[in-house]
Amino acid sequence: EVQLVESGGALVQPGGSLRLSCAASGFTFSNSAMIWVRQAPGKGLEWVSTIIGSGVGTYYTDSVRGRFTISRDNSKSTLYLQMNSLRAEDTADYYCAKGTTDLVIATTAFDNWGQGTLVTVAS
Amino acid sequence: DIQMTQSPSSLSASVGDRVTINCRASQTIDSYLNWYQKKPGKAPNLVIYAASSLQSGVPSRFRGSGSGTDFTLTISSLQPEDFATYYCQQSYSLPWTFGQGTKVEIK
Repeated sequence: EVQLVESGGALVQPGGSLRLSCAASGFTFSNSAMIWVRQAPGKGLEWVSTIIGSGVGTYYTDSVRGRFTISRDNSKSTLYLQMNSLRAEDTADYYCAKGTTDLVIATTAFDNWGQGTLVTVAS
Repeated sequence: DIQMTQSPSSLSASVGDRVTINCRASQTIDSYLNWYQKKPGKAPNLVIYAASSLQSGVPSRFRGSGSGTDFTLTISSLQPEDFATYYCQQSYSLPWTFGQGTKVEIK
């Protein structure tokens, strides 16, 4: 059974940093692209970032590029999201998801999701 | 960026009703369209991928159709566990984008 467990969410001040983790099990981690998606309070889903299976390719939505860094440790089956220069608009539940492919291609869907971790950016 | 627009934003329906949710892309996305179900406090769940393929484990009352710019998710006979918010998402090109969601509520 695929399991994805996020951790690291917290209350942080504007301008601060946070690192989210997503521990994966139940599948060959290095064979899957991994994705971060967020949902702000009362809002819809927003794609944040993706990393391909090998880790050499990373992709970001414009609003986080240059502030967030996605990475993975395939030896530990763990996905990370380093979040710097946090803003109030980054407040959201952050979900990690498993891609159905190992690359970022048009046929990629998100077939397993974690329960999410809440990031609150406020003073 | 490709904009995804869902309609309606919300609907009220009864158990056993047939429900249709629409999703329109701002440009052609071929059949690279996925549907997700989201319940409050729960992880999203992939329902349909590639516009019309049923994800493993999802009941056959869910059906996806469409290609190009116009897509539809149909629930043939609404069940109590189907009350949720549904999102379409295009995987045709980055940035991957979601529709704003359609909330299916109990009438």
